[in-house]
Amino acid sequence: DADVTQTPRNRITKTGKRIMLECSQTKGHDRMYWYRQDPGLGLRLIYYSFDVKDINKGEISDGYSVSRQAQAKFSLSLESAIPNQTALYFCATSDGQGNSPLHFGNGTRLTVT
Amino acid sequence: AQKVTQAQTEISVVEKEDVTLDCVYETRDTTYYLFWYKQPPSGELVFLIRRNSFDEQNEISGRYSWNFQKSTSSFNFTITASQVVDSAVYFCALRGGQGAQKLVFGQGTRLTINP
Repeated sequence: DADVTQTPRNRITKTGKRIMLECSQTKGHDRMYWYRQDPGLGLRLIYYSFDVKDINKGEISDGYSVSRQAQAKFSLSLESAIPNQTALYFCATSDGQGNSPLHFGNGTRLTVT
Repeated sequence: AQKVTQAQTEISVVEKEDVTLDCVYETRDTTYYLFWYKQPPSGELVFLIRRNSFDEQNEISGRYSWNFQKSTSSFNFTITASQVVDSAVYFCALRGGQGAQKLVFGQGTRLTINP
């Protein structure tokens, strides 16, 4: 089983719908992140959490919200989806050490029509 | 603020050629960490290497090598004798040593190795 699991893998939704992307991890890491990837823009940070009671906005948090339900679970919600939120979304975890890499899930491809 | 620039949007070479992917970074932190990730066509992100700011040794791993130069704020990645399986998008990333320690990514370079 993957250490960082994202569900669903693919999602097509309509403008205005509320949707949730889920992420769970078995790595025991405290830190979890949500990034979105757009062609030519790389990965941009949406939200991050250092523990269950600590949630922080990233550089592009508008239109998104998150919930850290447990150490192992971190979900991303789009309150009212719009077409420019069509992107590839990645969840990642880290043990918090400066030189530790992020461990990524396999991504969720979201299309908003 | 942290910033990573990968000026090469796309590179296309013929198999067995050597290719270098450029990465230039900006940070005011004296301690920082640099990373390279590979994203093959299947879409997952694969960690390749990390480098600490206080360790300027170059690194070689098989056909892959990394050249870290603090004087030019660069952390370039070279693939020797490229293979079709090296075709992917490659990301360079930076984490500062202070504050929230967020990982900042470059725009990515799409590398295509043609047979």
